[in-house]
Amino acid sequence: QVQLVESGGGVVQPGRSLRLSCAASGFTLSSHGMHWVRQAPGKGLEWVADIWADGIKIYYADSVEGRFTISRDKSRNTLYLQMNSLRAEDTAVYYCARDISYYAFDCWGQGTLVTVSS
Amino acid sequence: QSALTQAASVSGSPGQSITISCTGTSSDVGSYDYVSWYQQHPGKAPKLLIYEVNNRPSGVPVRFSGSKSGNTASLTISGLQAEDEADYYCSSSTSSNTDVFGGGTKLTVL
Repeated sequence: QVQLVESGGGVVQPGRSLRLSCAASGFTLSSHGMHWVRQAPGKGLEWVADIWADGIKIYYADSVEGRFTISRDKSRNTLYLQMNSLRAEDTAVYYCARDISYYAFDCWGQGTLVTVSS
Repeated sequence: QSALTQAASVSGSPGQSITISCTGTSSDVGSYDYVSWYQQHPGKAPKLLIYEVNNRPSGVPVRFSGSKSGNTASLTISGLQAEDEADYYCSSSTSSNTDVFGGGTKLTVL
C-alpha cells in the first residue's frame, strides 16, 4: 500500500529551525519527484519545494528560497524539509506528495502542522 | 509567481453539471499541458482528480473531466453528487520549473 507519513511539526519561535520528515512505504521514494506543499489555516494550497527523481534538480518557491532545504535519504526511503529562519507566515499544515507525471501529485501524506509563534 | 485565478465559490443541484475555471498566464497554463485538479474535503489531504489537463488517475469517476483553452483550464463535474461538495484546486507547472496553485473554489451541492 502506497503511503506517506509526515512528522516533525510543532510550535516554534520565529527565527528558529525545524526539520520535517516524510516516510514513504509501498514504493521507492527516489524513483519519483517528491514535493512539499503547505496550507495555512483556512487558506489555499501553496507549493513549497521539490526534488526530482534524479536527486539533482531541486526547486523552491520564492517565499522559502534560501531558508528551506529539501532532501531525501534513499536508505531510509524518507523525504525531508529543513526549515530555517522561520516566520509567522510559515505557519501551515505541511504535506509531502508524490509526483506521477510533472507536478501531478497522486499520493499525499496526512500533513503535519507547523506553528511559528512567540 | 502569482496564484492562478479561480472563482471563490460555485454551486449546483444534484444531477446537474458545473464547471470551475482556472485562469493563468502565458508563463504557466498557457504554455504547458501540465495542469492538475485536486479535490479537498475539510480536514483531509487533497486528492488528485485530473492531471495533464484531461487525464484521470485510476479510480476517479468519468464524470470528472478537464480541458484547456489558452490561458484558462476548466474542470467539469457532471451528474453532481452530494459527496462532491468540497474545495477544488487547480495547479500548473510554470516557466520557472515550479508549480503554482489556484486560490481554490468551494463547491456547494444544493
